[in-house]
Amino acid sequence: DQQVKQNSPSLSVQEGRISILNCDYTNSMFDYFLWYKKYPAEGPTFLISISSIKDKNEDGRFTVFLNKSAKHLSLHIVPSQPGDSAVYFCAAATNTGNQFYFGTGTSLTVIP
Amino acid sequence: KAGVTQTPRYLIKTRGQQVTLSCSPISGHRSVSWYQQTPGQGLQFLFEYFSETQRNKGNFPGRFSGRQFSNSRSEMNVSTLELGDSALYLCASSGHQNTEAFFGQGTRLTVV
Repeated sequence: DQQVKQNSPSLSVQEGRISILNCDYTNSMFDYFLWYKKYPAEGPTFLISISSIKDKNEDGRFTVFLNKSAKHLSLHIVPSQPGDSAVYFCAAATNTGNQFYFGTGTSLTVIP
Repeated sequence: KAGVTQTPRYLIKTRGQQVTLSCSPISGHRSVSWYQQTPGQGLQFLFEYFSETQRNKGNFPGRFSGRQFSNSRSEMNVSTLELGDSALYLCASSGHQNTEAFFGQGTRLTVV
C-alpha cells in the first residue's frame, strides 16, 4: 500500500528552465514532508522540507508547495542546472516518530 | 561533524546465510532508522530505534531484526537470506522528531 506516490518516473528539462516534480499522498495524518535527491550508489541527500502548517517553503533555487486539501506537494527547481540531474524522492511522516514514507522517485535529467 | 557511516559498503552472501549490517549515526542523534531500496520500490521502511528501543516497525518478516546500543550505533540482521533480499540497505539518523533524516551511503547486499 503506497501511501506516497510519485507518478512520473522521469522528467527531462532544459537547463535554465523550471523543473516541477510532483508527489501525492493518501494519509491525512502526515504532517511533515521532505524532498531528497539521490545519485546512484549513494544515500539520499536532504533538500528541503515543509510542515503541514505551511503551504510553501523556499530555499535558494528550491521551493516546495503543499496543498493539503488535494494531498499534493510539488518541488520547483528554478533555474534548473545539469548538476540537478538525479533521482528525487518525496517523503512524508506523521508525528509518531521518524518513520518516513517514501515515493518511488522521479529521475530528473537537465539537458545542457 | 562526521556523517552517518555504514559498514560494509558491499556484501555478497549465499542463500540461507545470515548477515549483519552496521550503522553509526551522526554524533548526538539518538534516532536510527533502516530502509531497504530495491528497483521500482523506492525506499521501504524497516524499523526505527530510539534510545535502544524499537519505536516503529515496517512490514517486513521476522527474519529482519535490529538493535541499538547505548552509544546509538545500530545493527541490522537478516537471517536465512533469500534472493529477494538483494538490495541497497540505508541507515538514517535524526536528531529530533519531524526533522530531516540524514542518510549513510548504504550497504549493497547481493544474495546469490
